[in-house]
Amino acid sequence: DAKTTQPTSMDCAEGRAANLPCNHSTISGNEYVYWYRQIHSQGPQYIIHGLKNNETNEMASLIITEDRKSSTLILPHATLRDTAVYYCIVFSGGSNYKLTFGKGTLLTVNP
Amino acid sequence: KAGVTQTPRYLIKTRGQQVTLSCSPISGHRSVSWYQQTPGQGLQFLFEYFSETQRNKGNFPGRFSGRQFSNSRSEMNVSTLELGDSALYLCASSLDYNEQFFGPGTRLTVL
Repeated sequence: DAKTTQPTSMDCAEGRAANLPCNHSTISGNEYVYWYRQIHSQGPQYIIHGLKNNETNEMASLIITEDRKSSTLILPHATLRDTAVYYCIVFSGGSNYKLTFGKGTLLTVNP
Repeated sequence: KAGVTQTPRYLIKTRGQQVTLSCSPISGHRSVSWYQQTPGQGLQFLFEYFSETQRNKGNFPGRFSGRQFSNSRSEMNVSTLELGDSALYLCASSLDYNEQFFGPGTRLTVL
């Protein structure tokens, strides 16, 4: 699976949009971009995933560049409860079904 | 729908002992994956089971083993515990090759 690069940490003001970037320049055509987050000492929580097109659900939006080498997770109105480590993962599934987690981005939402 | 449940939530063992952790997946999910999370190594994939068969395996020694039952419930076993096995052990379930949903984890402390 392709590697990802994320900033170590980011801050965001409560109520503002949080934009979390991820670089995955070696992504293959059949690999999806997945986002998970982990609030301290809890299990990771699935947020969203996409292949080529932008995706939106009740939690977030995922913007994938046309060349698919990077993506941005957008939390439209961040709350204090969104403080967590956010992981961007590239995953193809198939015969090698495992998630490879990097260090992630610690997002701190400030009041 | 009930989420992924893991038992026990906390466990303390001594070096040399063995331990068995249990995971009940979301109803209808046939794939169960196990991960180990430590401060130093982060989240690492242990193995994945589907329909009672180990389908994928990470780079862990043979002391780590698992199995899956016909009702998709899974157990993992660690024999001859070492201090370095202290970690949060996470179980995740999914429909085949879809997003994985994580349980709350079992916190294992080896003394």
